[in-house]
Amino acid sequence: DGGITQSPKYLFRKEGQNVTLSCEQNLNHDAMYWYRQDPGQGLRLIYYSQIVNDFQKGDIAEGYSVSREKKESFPLTVTSAQKNPTAFYLCASSIKIMRQGVMGYTFGSGTRLTVV
Amino acid sequence: GENVEQHPSTLSVQEGDSAVIKCTYSDSASNYFPWYKQELGKGPQLIIDIRSNVGEKKDQRIAVTLNKTAKHFSLHITETQPEDSAVYFCAAPNNNDMRFGAGTRLTVKP
Repeated sequence: DGGITQSPKYLFRKEGQNVTLSCEQNLNHDAMYWYRQDPGQGLRLIYYSQIVNDFQKGDIAEGYSVSREKKESFPLTVTSAQKNPTAFYLCASSIKIMRQGVMGYTFGSGTRLTVV
Repeated sequence: GENVEQHPSTLSVQEGDSAVIKCTYSDSASNYFPWYKQELGKGPQLIIDIRSNVGEKKDQRIAVTLNKTAKHFSLHITETQPEDSAVYFCAAPNNNDMRFGAGTRLTVKP
């Protein structure tokens, strides 16, 4: 079955540590995205990538980093510079991201990150 | 860029009643409007979408209506069931991504 796989489902981070969240898709989608979701709130865009080896900052990129070395993979690193990283992180992908034709916007099942 | 507002933030209905969630958008050029359902601890799942060349789309108990002039679209759920309880998000395309409403927590009481 095609889809997006996020791992791990739960992740615990100590103060001052960097952690990396995995996102893999086998939908052959060109574009991939990372969102942050806080309790009772909507989805805020962290980073997105339209093509391999290229990515752009979203609305809340500070304290995060990404890479896009393969079409299928878009890992997110939460660095120690992110002061309030506890949240639910969602990865998504889409076929096209043109204003007139965003298609196939599909989400993974999420990773819950907790600072301990 | 696109701005999406969603109301209400919470909605409680009795099983069997209808539920309506409304969203407004700012960019008149937007022409694709999906709705997502998110269950606790899971990622959002697409439940229905509409393009601007139609005013209404139905899929069994759910429907979406679009008013391009007023720049708003709505999700309608009829004959609600307890399993409809979830958070629902509307969305509209931005330049290079989708912009989401803040979400509506729907509770269906048996």
